[in-house]
Amino acid sequence: RKEVEQDPGPFNVPEGATVAFNCTYSNSASQSFFWYRQDCRKEPKLLMSVYSSGNEDGRFTAQLNRASQYISLLIRDSKLSDSATYLCVAPGGSNTGKLIFGQGTTLQVKP
Amino acid sequence: NAGVTQTPKFRILKIGQSMTLQCTQDMNHNYMYWYRQDPGMGLKLIYYSVGAGITDKGEVPNGYNVSRSTTEDFPLRLELAAPSQTSVYFCASTWRDGNSPLHFGNGTRLTVT
Repeated sequence: RKEVEQDPGPFNVPEGATVAFNCTYSNSASQSFFWYRQDCRKEPKLLMSVYSSGNEDGRFTAQLNRASQYISLLIRDSKLSDSATYLCVAPGGSNTGKLIFGQGTTLQVKP
Repeated sequence: NAGVTQTPKFRILKIGQSMTLQCTQDMNHNYMYWYRQDPGMGLKLIYYSVGAGITDKGEVPNGYNVSRSTTEDFPLRLELAAPSQTSVYFCASTWRDGNSPLHFGNGTRLTVT
């Protein structure tokens, strides 16, 4: 099993749709997780941090399910500008400080 | 406050050549990372460091070496470059416990021909 795994998509949705991505992780001791947004292979930009059960910021909601070892990202009222690749990050293995990325989920929002 | 600075931005290498990708941060972060990203893929961890003098292998360390003689600098060395090392390389850093978000450099686009 990969340490951090995402469905690569692509997810093609119309404007205004609600879309959700999942990210599974293998290290049950992980305490903190992150969602990043990446445009055109530029450097990833932090979207949300997830330290406990969840986090909400405007149209974006991140949730953590420790029992099933996954985090999710929900985007409501999708905008054209939300088109990007979304990357989740989680601690890997038992080594402190090792941060592993999922392979990314591509979202394309269409008019 | 410059954040994380990577040099060079672009580089073309011939097979068998060597080079060092530079990364420096001015935020006094203990943890530093090198990732590579191939087209259509996520970021793969090459090496990371939790402090000066300490380095650890990531997911794809073969063909690379690192050193961490100071808190600020974390250079990545490519010996005997191969076409499989054509990629975009990102350096990142974070605060002391590794439970804080990563700060990224702008990346180095490397082509090996």
